[in-house]
Amino acid sequence: DAKTTQPNSMESNEEEPVHLPCNHSTISGTDYIHWYRQLPSQGPEYVIHGLTSNVNNRMASLAIAEDRKSSTLILHRATLRDAAVYYCILESAGNMLTFGGGTRLMVKP
Amino acid sequence: NAGVMQNPRHLVRRRGQEARLRCSPMKGHSHVYWYRQLPEEGLKFMVYLQKENIIDESGMPKERFSAEFPKEGPSILRIQQVVRGDSAAYFCASSPRAGANTGELFFGEGSRLTVL
Repeated sequence: DAKTTQPNSMESNEEEPVHLPCNHSTISGTDYIHWYRQLPSQGPEYVIHGLTSNVNNRMASLAIAEDRKSSTLILHRATLRDAAVYYCILESAGNMLTFGGGTRLMVKP
Repeated sequence: NAGVMQNPRHLVRRRGQEARLRCSPMKGHSHVYWYRQLPEEGLKFMVYLQKENIIDESGMPKERFSAEFPKEGPSILRIQQVVRGDSAAYFCASSPRAGANTGELFFGEGSRLTVL
């Protein structure tokens, strides 16, 4: 299974943009890139996913490198409620989503 | 439209007892996934089921653990003769489809098992 590498933790100031990086150098051509987040004591929550093109939704933007070996989740204005563990996950056809350690995002007021 | 419902939210068992965790997927979803999360760790895939069928159980321990998703009723994760190492949060997720580009998995709030 292709793996992802994320920083263990990041800090951000409230109302500033946050860029959460993810490396996936062994990604295959058909793997989808998913992002989920998990707030304390809750189940994971879907954030966004994409294949090749950048994606935007109401929660965030996903910027995918041209060679697809890395991606960045962008939160345009961090709020205290965005403090969570963010997981970058690759989905291969027929394989289940495999969660790694994720990045713990701390948001300072 | 109710989300994924898991119960019980908290369960305490003594070593050797059985634990049964239930998951009702979102309406219209026929694909169910179970994940386990040990304290301070990420989620580990356990099993993927469709109605009445186990599709992938590669993450399930070979002994004491079983899962089912009957034609009627919730999916059940059963742990027999629990040990302290089974203490964890067990999350269920559902989706309307599977395969490449599964899209969004909808997770429940989890069932937290504590084994004394």
